[in-house]
Amino acid sequence: EPEVTQTPSHQVTQMGQEVILRCVPISNHLYFYWYRQILGQKVEFLVSFYNNEISEKSEIFDDQFSVERPDGSNFTLKIRSTKLEDSAMYFCASSTSRDRVHEQFFGPGTRLTVL
Amino acid sequence: AQRVTQPEKLLSVFKGAPVELKCNYSYSGSPELFWYVQYSRQRLQLLLRHISRESIKGFTADLNKGETSFHLKKPFAQEEDSAMYYCALTTGGYQKVTFGTGTKLQVIP
Repeated sequence: EPEVTQTPSHQVTQMGQEVILRCVPISNHLYFYWYRQILGQKVEFLVSFYNNEISEKSEIFDDQFSVERPDGSNFTLKIRSTKLEDSAMYFCASSTSRDRVHEQFFGPGTRLTVL
Repeated sequence: AQRVTQPEKLLSVFKGAPVELKCNYSYSGSPELFWYVQYSRQRLQLLLRHISRESIKGFTADLNKGETSFHLKKPFAQEEDSAMYYCALTTGGYQKVTFGTGTKLQVIP
């Protein structure tokens, strides 16, 4: 069964450094998402992406964040200058349709630790 | 703005006992409600959605619009049900999912 994959599983970086989190959505999916979960808190929506542009973004998704689909398979989240509070688990998800009852399939997550 | 509330961080029950994980939501329109589950060391996965009115792994959830609740129930808990359970909703558009804080279900053998 196809799955969303994410790399790396754990990323450690210094404050102020740029990081790129990578995701490979399920191949026939059209909608892509990033969520994050700070330790002990709930999963929070960051951004959704369709047809090579951002569909919706949350207040968390400020100018330090960007997303890209550089080729036909990868979907990346870039944080330009990481802050301590960016430490979290980042989940990528994909779905086939904008129909709101369609399931989002989640990746295993990337744990980002900012020192 | 929409919100999902799960009042219990941890729920411990004995094997064979009934389970009820509580979820309340706030949204002025008509949301779609879901339960997601995350087993140990596994990814988030959809357990069930209210629109399907399905029973998955013995779990059911009924949407009560009057009480704005979507509690998850199972008559007899199994050890393999131990996991984190997240109540969630979508409101339309591009399906942004709003999650509750999650309830850890611990089934005691």
